[in-house]
Formats: sequence, structure tokens, C-alpha cells
Amino acid sequence: DVKVTQSSRYLVKRTGEKVFLECVQDMDHENMFWYRQDPGLGLRLIYFSYDVKMKEKGDIPEGYSVSREKKERFSLILESASTNQTSMYLCASSLHRASYEQYFGPGTRLTVT
Amino acid sequence: GQSLEQPSEVTAVEGAIVQINCTYQTSGFYGLSWYQQHDGGAPTFLSYNGLDGLEETGRFSSFLSRSDSYGYLLLQELQMKDSASYFCAVRFKGGATNKLIFGTGTLLAVQP
Repeated sequence: DVKVTQSSRYLVKRTGEKVFLECVQDMDHENMFWYRQDPGLGLRLIYFSYDVKMKEKGDIPEGYSVSREKKERFSLILESASTNQTSMYLCASSLHRASYEQYFGPGTRLTVT
Repeated sequence: GQSLEQPSEVTAVEGAIVQINCTYQTSGFYGLSWYQQHDGGAPTFLSYNGLDGLEETGRFSSFLSRSDSYGYLLLQELQMKDSASYFCAVRFKGGATNKLIFGTGTLLAVQP
């Protein structure tokens, strides 16, 4: 079974802090994704990556950056956390570029105070 | 524009059948997927329709009609454990081929 793990289940940070969220998948998937999930808004794509060191902006990239130095690891960075970035963050991976099935991690609930 | 619309909430009783609709506005897409997410859990893949018609997987079926810009997830013999949020998702043509767009989700409450 594919396993996607995220570094923290819950995280509390202060406004202005730099925040790192890490995601690791163990099935050699090409694609990795970061979403945020907010009530009534569904899952919104922040960034995705289709290969090591490659990244593309999703629908809401402002205030975020990403890093993919190894195939199995995809990091989401909040350069200067703000209260409006309080959310559930979900990482996902998929096997190929045209895969329709994504595998999700358990999520990190980030609170910025 | 590209958008997927779902009802926000649906309530049904155990043993019943429920249909969750997904309507979309897009110039074209590759296929329609459905995901289930229990409260506090990760979304998990349920089904995929690459072609028009009905796909059946046990108690769950999914349907797609491109001409009607419409799809649905059908859950039969409802069980309490089916209480969850359900999301439709598509890969749109013209954008990054590996990018999914998700609907806003439907919260299904199964009552005894």
C-alpha cells in the first residue's frame, strides 16, 4: 500500500514565523501535491511537483513556496505565517503525470496565532 | 471558467440509496473521480469515470454524462460508516495534465 506521511498532525505557530511542512511518500511516485482544505471551500491546490526540483503553481500559491530535493519528499514553506493561513494542509502523491488517482497523507492542522 | 458544484449536505437513513450530484462548467476534461473523506481523515479514492456511463464498485457506483455536464455518485445499502464527505474531482484539458480540481464536497449524514 502507498503510504504518504506528513511531519506533524497538529502545529501551532506565531504570526511572522517561518513554517516548514514536510511530506514523504514511499512508492516512488512522480507527482506530489500540496492542498489546503477549509470549510465550504473544498481542497484547493497550492503547489505541485512532477519531478525532483520541478514545481508548478496551483490555484493559491501566494504566501507559500515549496521544495523537492528528493523524489520521495515534498516540503511546503510558509515564509512568514499569517493568521489567514490557519488551515488543514494535505499532501498527496500520484504515480504518473496523467494519473487520476491521488494518495493523501493524514493532514497537518496548522493554527497561526 | 472551471468549477464543480455539489450539494453541501445530504441526509439519508441506513439501508437506503443516496445520490450525490456533481455538475461542472468546463470546456473539456479527461475524467471524473470521486473521493471519500471521513471526519479527521485523509481523502481516499473511490472511483473514476473516463468514459460516459456507469461504473460499479460494490455498493458504490459512479456515473458520467459529458453531454449533460453532470456526474453522480450512488451509494446503495447505506451504512453508518458511509457518513463522510464526498468530493468529485476532474482533470481539465488545457491545464497541467496532472492537476485535479476538486468540488467543494458533500457531507453525507447517515441516520439509524
